[in-house]
Amino acid sequence: AQSVTQPDIHITVSEGASLELRCNYSYGATPYLFWYVQSPGQGLQLLLKYFSGDTLVQGIKGFEAEFKRSQSSFNLRKPSVHWSDAAEYFCAVGARNTDKLIFGTGTRLQVFP
Amino acid sequence: NAGVTQTPKFQVLKTGQSMTLQCAQDMNHEYMSWYRQDPGMGLRLIHYSVGAGITDQGEVPNGYNVSRSTTEDFPLRLLSAAPSQTSVYFCASSQLAGDLTDTQYFGPGTRLTVL
Repeated sequence: AQSVTQPDIHITVSEGASLELRCNYSYGATPYLFWYVQSPGQGLQLLLKYFSGDTLVQGIKGFEAEFKRSQSSFNLRKPSVHWSDAAEYFCAVGARNTDKLIFGTGTRLQVFP
Repeated sequence: NAGVTQTPKFQVLKTGQSMTLQCAQDMNHEYMSWYRQDPGMGLRLIHYSVGAGITDQGEVPNGYNVSRSTTEDFPLRLLSAAPSQTSVYFCASSQLAGDLTDTQYFGPGTRLTVL
């Protein structure tokens, strides 16, 4: 069955520190992979997506993610976190020629000044 | 354009009451969907639609009905609310059905509490 695992429920970092949020997926075929961010009281906003090609994907707000097929992972990174990055982050997976996204349980990021 | 709009933002119901959560988009998107978000569960798909007059069930459809009479609107109906339906509900849309390369846009959500 298709599934997405985000092993870290809550992460705390200092402003300016680097960040890596983990995402592992289980999928039969080559997946489409997504990272979304949800700020408090807001809907979800797409940060970046991977369909094919270069395994390092650049997104908005200075985020990037790397697809590693051998590890079934799609971890999200940012070299220097800003206080405004405090939010909940969701990894999601989907299949070619479908509309359905399967979401992970989310990682809440807290940023200390 | 306004994107994806949802009303109301907050709602409190008593067990057994019915209500409709509204979702509208002004981007002429084919695909629309409803998710619920629960703590520790992420987002789960309730129902979706690939065009006017076409709807289908998602992962957790029980207790919910939908219809898609126009391209713009995709209301979610709770016929007899239960406490287990306390959640935050998100509507999403995308330009093309059957194509996840197309970005899904999410509304701001409706926070529903069933007492």
